[in-house]
Amino acid sequence: SSELTQDPAVSVALGQTVKITCQGDSLRSYDASWYQQKPGQAPVLVMYGKNNRPSGIPDRFSGSSSGSTASLTLTGAQAEDEAGYYCNSRDSSGNQWVFGGGTKLTVL
Amino acid sequence: QVQLVQSGAEVKKPGASVKVSCKASGYTFTNYHMHWVRQAPGQGLEWMGIINPNGGRTSSAQKFQGRVTMTSDTSTSTVYLELSSLRSDDTAMYYCARDNSRTSKVTPVWWFDPWGQGTLVIVSS
Repeated sequence: SSELTQDPAVSVALGQTVKITCQGDSLRSYDASWYQQKPGQAPVLVMYGKNNRPSGIPDRFSGSSSGSTASLTLTGAQAEDEAGYYCNSRDSSGNQWVFGGGTKLTVL
Repeated sequence: QVQLVQSGAEVKKPGASVKVSCKASGYTFTNYHMHWVRQAPGQGLEWMGIINPNGGRTSSAQKFQGRVTMTSDTSTSTVYLELSSLRSDDTAMYYCARDNSRTSKVTPVWWFDPWGQGTLVIVSS
């Protein structure tokens, strides 16, 4: 089992807004990073820290955190955003890293 | 540009070992740690370990301790992951990913970027 908990699947209508969450005690001490993975491809960083977007990532992606929950929000979801999304952070001991179980995002 | 290029697919028998390489370019190799992450078919991402190429210090996830060896070669800017006593459930895509961090702020954060293209390891008799 993962120390970071994500909903296995989320759906959103084209052009609408969706929030993907990641919950874990370690998020009270460390910020999360987020990765998008499309089938057959390596993961790609889409967000790190509270709201830091790497160059090349559309500004419809945003991040936030509160307490033990980190969130990735897509405002105006596009068909190309359909993918798996994983959060990552240090674990509770601070000695290792851990991924959330992943959220499969479907754009309807 | 910063790039990580991994070695090709491997097919191994149960009980054997596999060694995967990850060659870095476009940055100063010894300035960044490197992570290894794996993904079994249809499953999520699993963190395996991290190596500091500057000195070779490593740390691995508890479930892999005793079976995983991570090394680096600064002359070729390459890190290696060796996994021994292979089992069928080690069949997975193995990725290297460069470590980045910001620890000076109130809340530290680490992120993995970029990632290698992945190396498929199949364990089958």
